[in-house]
Amino acid sequence: DVKVTQSSRYLVKRTGEKVFLECVQDMDHENMFWYRQDPGLGLRLIYFSYDVKMKEKGDIPEGYSVSREKKERFSLILESASTNQTSMYLCASIEERESRYEQYFGPGTRLTVT
Amino acid sequence: AQSVSQHNHHVILSEAASLELGCNYSYGGTVNLFWYVQYPGQHLQLLLKYFSGDPLVKGIKGFEAEFIKSKFSFNLRKPSVQWSDTAEYFCAVNAYLEAGANNLFFGTGTRLTVIP
Repeated sequence: DVKVTQSSRYLVKRTGEKVFLECVQDMDHENMFWYRQDPGLGLRLIYFSYDVKMKEKGDIPEGYSVSREKKERFSLILESASTNQTSMYLCASIEERESRYEQYFGPGTRLTVT
Repeated sequence: AQSVSQHNHHVILSEAASLELGCNYSYGGTVNLFWYVQYPGQHLQLLLKYFSGDPLVKGIKGFEAEFIKSKFSFNLRKPSVQWSDTAEYFCAVNAYLEAGANNLFFGTGTRLTVIP
């Protein structure tokens, strides 16, 4: 079974703190994603990466950065956390086989910024 | 820009009623289509998916969806809902991005409440 794990299920941080959210997948997938999920807004893409050291902005990258030093690990960084970044953060990776794609999600990290 | 539309934000049904949740997308190329479900307090789970072939796809827990290419739609259906189907349902479309990576575009979700 594909496993996508996230370092924390729940996190509480103060405004201005630097926050690291870690995501690890064990299936050698090249493509990895970070989303945030908010009520009434669905899932919105923050950043994605299609290879080690490669990254692309998604729909809402402002206030975030990412790091992909190893294929299995994709980190989301909040340089200076703000209250409007309180959200559920979901990491995912995509399996690609003969033009068929399936996305696997981690369990999510619920971040509260006070 | 690509988009996925779920027009129903909140649907309330009695048990045994039939369900249809709408999903439309705007991407014109080859697509893979998905429905995910998120039960209260749980993470996203895949309900069903369409890659190719028979446009009527059957998923878990009695759900099915029909891909109508001419209408850019992938509506989710269930003939008789149960209280345990109370959850949020997300439609998603996979498409290539110009950067070469794949992405999954999500709708905003439909909250289903089933009344016993």
